[in-house]
Amino acid sequence: GQQLNQSPQSMFIQEGEDVSMNCTSSSIFNTWLWYKQDPGEGPVLLIALYKAGELTSNGRLTAQFGITRKDSFLNISASIPSDVGIYFCAGLGGANSKLTFGKGITLSVRP
Amino acid sequence: DSGVTQTPKHLITATGQRVTLRCSPRSGDLSVYWYQQSLDQGLQFLIQYYNGEERAKGNILERFSAQQFPDLHSELNLSSLELGDSALYFCASRTIGAAGELFFGEGSRLTVL
Repeated sequence: GQQLNQSPQSMFIQEGEDVSMNCTSSSIFNTWLWYKQDPGEGPVLLIALYKAGELTSNGRLTAQFGITRKDSFLNISASIPSDVGIYFCAGLGGANSKLTFGKGITLSVRP
Repeated sequence: DSGVTQTPKHLITATGQRVTLRCSPRSGDLSVYWYQQSLDQGLQFLIQYYNGEERAKGNILERFSAQQFPDLHSELNLSSLELGDSALYFCASRTIGAAGELFFGEGSRLTVL
């Protein structure tokens, strides 16, 4: 089946630093999404990307839909303590396909 | 607040037992998705309902079943529970046309002892 690869499993950064996360797949996706899960909460949608090459920002977050349609990245600039959480990428294939999630990257931000 | 409501938030039970998890989607959403999140497996898709009908099935065990009722709330039934069923179970809903844009509830944490 379709799989999304996120690595490393954990990232540790200093407050104020930028961080970039990749998500790759051997399959083509038509939609890429990034979700964040805070401790004790459900995942929340951060950014949705619908077109190959699309670059979209949401505040300090920027995400891109890779031109091969097999990857996406998320960049967080000037990190703050509340950026702590698990970041999941998700991909959607063609019509009637199910949403596939990566295993997530746990981000820790040191003050 | 996503608008998706899940109950109970926490549940502790014994092996062999049966539990029911309940989900109310956001007002106006017809689709309900169930996901299981365990430490080493990430978010695993279980099943999707749309307006009362099963739409897609993922890695759902035969011991698990779900349904969506006419008022659009959904229930996930887990039976013959095993230790490995301990996990967070999330329900999500989405707006028509917004493919992939799911709104998740806060989850039900199931502990099987």
